[in-house]
Amino acid sequence: DSGVTQTPKHLITATGQRVTLRCSPRSGDLSVYWYQQSLDQGLQFLIQYYNGEERAKGNILERFSAQQFPDLHSELNLSSLELGDSALYFCASSPLQGVYEQYFGPGTRLTVT
Amino acid sequence: SQELEQSPQSLIVQEGKNLTINCTSSKTLYGLYWYKQKYGEGLIFLMMLQKGGEEKSHEKITAKLDEKKQQSSLHITASQPSHAGIYLCGADSGVDSNYQLIWGAGTKLIIKP
Repeated sequence: DSGVTQTPKHLITATGQRVTLRCSPRSGDLSVYWYQQSLDQGLQFLIQYYNGEERAKGNILERFSAQQFPDLHSELNLSSLELGDSALYFCASSPLQGVYEQYFGPGTRLTVT
Repeated sequence: SQELEQSPQSLIVQEGKNLTINCTSSKTLYGLYWYKQKYGEGLIFLMMLQKGGEEKSHEKITAKLDEKKQQSSLHITASQPSHAGIYLCGADSGVDSNYQLIWGAGTKLIIKP
């Protein structure tokens, strides 16, 4: 158990809908990262927050947004969902701002039908 | 953009045999991270290498970093069923990787009893 929790574990929704994925980092970790993993694209970095502020953006679509709250949990919002958004979404946390070993949550499997 | 190539893509090894997985970066490496993933689950941090020539071991897994070749290798000695899974390398190339980890496509390891 990494100490990172993600909810929900599975999510099935229709195209055009909006969903919110939630992540609680390890106790004491200030950095939260969001990743998307699909069979064709592999593991792709989406966005990083550090202590409530956005620190880096990766291949995140404009339809996707995220935030980190004062209690350090984070949410990833996916809107106008398309079939191609079906993937595993991981949250990871680390104690520092820079590149560091990361602790991954179990993931949320999103299926868009 | 940076590319991180892992080889082989997949590997089937008899239990008890040794094996090596490679990870090669197209850019200068400031840090190389090895993770293991069981199918559909979160990634588990194995080791981080930062200096040229650095070698680290954890139980029967040894990882080395060749800074000049921009390459890392992961070696498993006397493989066991518990070693089965997907091994991913992540590279930190500073500004060239947006100060984030760029990920390889993964090596799927199957251990035959």
